Amino acid sequence: DAGVIQSPRHEVTEMGQEVTLRCKPISGHNSLFWYRQTMMRGLELLIYFNNNVPIDDSGMPEDRFSAKMPNASFSTLKIQPSEPRDSAVYFCASSSGTSGGRDTDTQYFGPGTRLTVL
Amino acid sequence: AQSVSQHNHHVILSEAASLELGCNYSYGGTVNLFWYVQYPGQHLQLLLKYFSGDPLVKGIKGFEAEFIKSKFSFNLRKPSVQWSDTAEYFCAVGSGNTGKLIFGQGTTLQVKP
Repeated sequence: DAGVIQSPRHEVTEMGQEVTLRCKPISGHNSLFWYRQTMMRGLELLIYFNNNVPIDDSGMPEDRFSAKMPNASFSTLKIQPSEPRDSAVYFCASSSGTSGGRDTDTQYFGPGTRLTVL
Repeated sequence: AQSVSQHNHHVILSEAASLELGCNYSYGGTVNLFWYVQYPGQHLQLLLKYFSGDPLVKGIKGFEAEFIKSKFSFNLRKPSVQWSDTAEYFCAVGSGNTGKLIFGQGTTLQVKP
């Protein structure tokens, strides 16, 4: 299994530009999570999906952030317009979620996207 | 609401020293417990997990953790650390219902050669 795939791995952009981060979960997993990690705030859950439906987006910092999951194998996190304070590493993770079995909670993380907004 | 507390924010040890990282959680129901490790510049990787059964769980790289239900704790241990164990360690709790995990704030371990 290829694991969780994220792209791009690094993104450098200028303030005001739109940024789109992409994630492909592990095949068969039906829960997907977007996290943000910074030195100041640590690891924060932004939003998570179950069966492609957003379940909890209370961690999304503001309206500039949006996330979609059009199908079971793809999700995007978009920031528009981007600001320097959005600079962070963004991780996507997936789990088998509520698909049954004991191991529903174990999350597998992607390599992350390091975003720098100048 | 569920919460996870990791007692130590930054731990510095010499090689061969023993390690114990504290983790306490608050949740009244059945829980699944995890320790993740993040090596410098890398993503979070599963170190070990507890769902049920033997409360002493063994993970990769010689790590183990003990679930003590009465204390709501899931402490991570390693008898002899190596320089390569330098990393950040996260404790996490899940209820098995939503798939969502609650993470602690992390403990940075620095092992001096």
